[in-house]
Amino acid sequence: AQKITQTQPGMFVQEKEAVTLDCTYDTSDQSYGLFWYKQPSSGEMIFLIYQGSYDEQNATEGRYSLNFQKARKSANLVISASQLGDSAMYFCAMREDVITGGGNKLTFGTGTQLKVEL
Amino acid sequence: DGGITQSPKYLFRKEGQNVTLSCEQNLNHDAMYWYRQDPGQGLRLIYYSQIVNDFQKGDIAEGYSVSREKKESFPLTVTSAQKNPTAFYLCASSIKDRTTNEKLFFGSGTQLSVL
Repeated sequence: AQKITQTQPGMFVQEKEAVTLDCTYDTSDQSYGLFWYKQPSSGEMIFLIYQGSYDEQNATEGRYSLNFQKARKSANLVISASQLGDSAMYFCAMREDVITGGGNKLTFGTGTQLKVEL
Repeated sequence: DGGITQSPKYLFRKEGQNVTLSCEQNLNHDAMYWYRQDPGQGLRLIYYSQIVNDFQKGDIAEGYSVSREKKESFPLTVTSAQKNPTAFYLCASSIKDRTTNEKLFFGSGTQLSVL
């Protein structure tokens, strides 16, 4: 079963508008972390925002905010006031609790391609 | 400036040939990772290392090998046993690998293609 599901292969948004990128996850752990990364066409992965499973407040970083709904297991990324430079691939990822003696790892979704239009 | 350097940017492999992708970091991070990215499939973990001289297989380790002789370096060898090596390869590092809020820092990637 998919641990991270991003159901939107592609999204369009007009410049200066807000856009929501969907992410749902599956875990039985109580402690986990959720991440969003941006991948421009150049290929590097850029960290955007983090939400811990015990964080009571939704995370915010500048124009990025994370709409965390724990009961629904969703962690949607909201980008406000979209800019042309926001056009990129966006990945949701999860890191589950550390198991003693083993490493944990970041599991990624399949990504959403965002295109910002004039 | 601190960061992760991957080389080369583009690499071509002939049938039956082993090739090695370089990854160097000067962030003094303990943990390093290799991910493979195919179109429409997101990133999949190949190998990771939490400490020098130790590494673990990820989800798709078959046909790949790694070494971690130095903290700064984590080269990935794509062997002839990997039958479908064409992909974009990303190296990453993190300070440690023990907490759920540990974010990854990524290199700029290597595109490997088969001739």
